[in-house]
Amino acid sequence: GAGVSQSPRYKVAKRGQDVALRCDPISGHVSLFWYQQALGQGPEFLTYFQNEAQLDKSGLPSDRFFAERPEGSVSTLKIQRTQQEDSAVYLCASNFNSLGDTQYFGPGTRLTVL
Amino acid sequence: KQEVTQIPAALSVPEGENLVLNCSFTDSAIYNLQWFRQDPGKGLTSLLLIQSSQREQTSGRLNASLDKSSGRSTLYIAASQPGDSATYLCAVNSGTYKYIFGTGTRLKVLA
Repeated sequence: GAGVSQSPRYKVAKRGQDVALRCDPISGHVSLFWYQQALGQGPEFLTYFQNEAQLDKSGLPSDRFFAERPEGSVSTLKIQRTQQEDSAVYLCASNFNSLGDTQYFGPGTRLTVL
Repeated sequence: KQEVTQIPAALSVPEGENLVLNCSFTDSAIYNLQWFRQDPGKGLTSLLLIQSSQREQTSGRLNASLDKSSGRSTLYIAASQPGDSATYLCAVNSGTYKYIFGTGTRLKVLA
């Protein structure tokens, strides 16, 4: 596909369950970003990869959040022992050159924790 | 720490009106500023990107201005249409890979 894709688009989890969210960036894009967008808020940075290296994970809210990009393309954001406050839309973005370039966003995964 | 604020939070206008959305940021040392559009259930679409050395950018009916010294940007939409209804987000980049987003303005254009 031509754009960033994310799956699943919607995920409902019971509190305490683990979830895994997938992001397929635009082919050839070196940089990949994860954002969390709470209802009525703007996206907030979670973590950044350059190829397979996770260069910044300062935005991850707790050690229950873990992201990986083992081969420098597809990325997975994993949330362990989900809590209600984890309910949000998780957006993935990518670009060729991270410094100041526009980021191309996927449609997001809406996570609802009951 | 950079903070980005957008006002108004929501706006409802009749079709055909010209309108202005506002974005303010606390640290004027920015690399660029970008305006995005977000439709319900969809990702963000970039509308206009203004580099710190630029004063404005135009694309069709959209015009974005940047006043770095005062920490402000405006997005002007001319002759609004119902298809313009969406949430508009302003995002600031301070020369790193991170964009800091505002909370957005929800626009509704009434037919």
